[in-house]
Amino acid sequence: QITLKESGPTLLKPTQTLTLTCDFSGFSLSTRGEGMGWVRQPPGKALEWLALIFWDDDTRYSPSLRTRLTVTKDTAKNQVVLTMTNMGPVDTATYYCAHRRGHYDSSGFYFYSFFDLWGPGTLVAVSS
Amino acid sequence: DIQLTQSPSSLSASVGDRVTITCRASQSIEKYLNWYQQKPGRAPNVLIYAASTLQGGVPSRFSGSGSGTEFNLTISSLQSADFATYYCQQSYNMFPWTFGQGTKVEIK
Repeated sequence: QITLKESGPTLLKPTQTLTLTCDFSGFSLSTRGEGMGWVRQPPGKALEWLALIFWDDDTRYSPSLRTRLTVTKDTAKNQVVLTMTNMGPVDTATYYCAHRRGHYDSSGFYFYSFFDLWGPGTLVAVSS
Repeated sequence: DIQLTQSPSSLSASVGDRVTITCRASQSIEKYLNWYQQKPGRAPNVLIYAASTLQGGVPSRFSGSGSGTEFNLTISSLQSADFATYYCQQSYNMFPWTFGQGTKVEIK
């Protein structure tokens, strides 16, 4: 059974750096095909995809946040860490980590990805 | 980036109603479209992936259709547990992945 949980600061001041940890169990991020993502949601607003990290350390970022984001993994600790620099009030949001599942269709040719399991989320507020 | 536009942004419906939500992509994404349900204060939960494949454990009243640029999520007979916000998300073979702006389903 896969479980995920985010942890980190609940309040930051503008310009500070956010570091969030996602602790997970039930799978290994060193296994071929595995991936973990980060998504955030400002209060009352839509979901925003931030990043994905794969078993082979391939990492993809939202272009609008690319210069501020870093995602790393520690397979021994079963953790994924998101770092976001220069936080501002607009970054106030609930941050989620999520497990990426991949699935081949019946032809075996098409490979589909989606987030099948999510952590409960952690609310991060940025205010002076 | 591929933009996803959901319609309507919100709707009011009664228990037992048939409800359809549409998601339009700014370019063809073949069938790389997923649907999530989110209830207040909770993380999203995947309902449909690959445009029309029902995730395990999801009630059969939920169904997905479409390919290319237009997709639908249909709830055949709305239940009280279905009042929530629904998001589409594309996972086409390029990044970034993106979400629609959401559709809130409320009780009439």
